[in-house]
Amino acid sequence: AQSVSQHNHHVILSEAASLELGCNYSYGGTVNLFWYVQYPGQHLQLLLKYFSGDPLVKGIKGFEAEFIKSKFSFNLRKPSVQWSDTAEYFCAVNAQGSGNTGKLIFGQGTTLQVKP
Amino acid sequence: NAGVMQNPRHLVRRRGQEARLRCSPVKGHSHVYWYRQLPEEGLKFMVYLQKENIIDESGMPKERFSAEFPKEGPSILRIQQVVRGDSAAYFCASSYRPGESYGYTFGSGTRLTVV
Repeated sequence: AQSVSQHNHHVILSEAASLELGCNYSYGGTVNLFWYVQYPGQHLQLLLKYFSGDPLVKGIKGFEAEFIKSKFSFNLRKPSVQWSDTAEYFCAVNAQGSGNTGKLIFGQGTTLQVKP
Repeated sequence: NAGVMQNPRHLVRRRGQEARLRCSPVKGHSHVYWYRQLPEEGLKFMVYLQKENIIDESGMPKERFSAEFPKEGPSILRIQQVVRGDSAAYFCASSYRPGESYGYTFGSGTRLTVV
């Protein structure tokens, strides 16, 4: 069965610090990979996604993620965080291929708190 | 706002009552997914529907939960005889095609509290 693991449950950083959130998945086939952000009281918004091609993906708001196939990882990074990045971050996968119904498997989420 | 509309935003029910959660997808989207977010947990897939059809309900609890997406009107997630453990945020997402490259559009969720 597919599963997604996010290593950091709660991260506290000061503004301008660099961010890296870990995400590992378990699945034998080819996957699509996503990072979503959820600001307090709001819906999930897509930060970035990887389907194929360049394993370094750039998303909105200065975020990027790198897909390392050999490590089954898709870590999220940002060189310099801002207070407004305080939110919950979710890594998600779904399976490519003919059996793909589009359902996403989410990690547990990482709460990021950025101190001004 | 042409996004996914969910209502109500907040719903309080007493144990044993019924909860009905509504989801109006993005115009033109015929695929709807429901997810549940329990406190301190990530989102868990519940059910995937196309118009008038349930495609994948592998994440739905076996009892008390049902979902529909009629030809006309919003998708409905129905929870009968609610219990405290049903308290959670329920999110709906819609897409133009299943598993498409563009991902989904999520709604703002319905926060169900069972008292």
